[in-house]
Amino acid sequence: DVKVTQSSRYLVKRTGEKVFLECVQDMDHENMFWYRQDPGLGLRLIYFSYDVKMKEKGDIPEGYSVSREKKERFSLILESASTNQTSMYLCASSLTGDSNQPQHFGDGTRLSIL
Amino acid sequence: GNSVTQMEGPVTLSEEAFLTINCTYTATGYPSLFWYVQYPGEGLQLLLKATKADDKGSNKGFEATYRKETTSFHLEKGSVQVSDSAVYFCALDDYKLSFGAGTTVTVRA
Repeated sequence: DVKVTQSSRYLVKRTGEKVFLECVQDMDHENMFWYRQDPGLGLRLIYFSYDVKMKEKGDIPEGYSVSREKKERFSLILESASTNQTSMYLCASSLTGDSNQPQHFGDGTRLSIL
Repeated sequence: GNSVTQMEGPVTLSEEAFLTINCTYTATGYPSLFWYVQYPGEGLQLLLKATKADDKGSNKGFEATYRKETTSFHLEKGSVQVSDSAVYFCALDDYKLSFGAGTTVTVRA
């Protein structure tokens, strides 16, 4: 089974801090994704990556950046955390960019910015 | 652009009741369609998928048929159990995934 592991289940940070969310997948997947999940809004794509050192903006990239130095690891960075970034963050991976390939999700990180 | 609209919840049912969650989509191409489920405290997991018109996806007693003429992908289960309590997301994949807002389903014993 594919395993996508997010480093923290719960995280509390302060406004203005630089925050790192880490995600690791163990199935040699090409693609990795970061979403945020908010009630009534479903999942919204922040950034995704189709290859090492490659990244593309999703629908809501403002205030975020990402890093993919190794194929198995995809990091989401909040450059200067703000209270409106309090949310559930979900990482996902898929084998290829083919639309037949489902995405596999981690258990999420619930981030609170005070 | 692409979008997915699914019925608002929450939905509360008794065990063995019939469940339908409506999902319609707007897409410029010919996307694959998915239903994902999120159990309490967990990430999303794939429930079923369909990749072309008239395909029927099925898993764990759930079914959904890709209807191109009505741009719909409604989820159904004939007899729900308490363990089906979860949030259900409809999604389409046309280069990237677009999700509906999610429908919370609670099944009471």
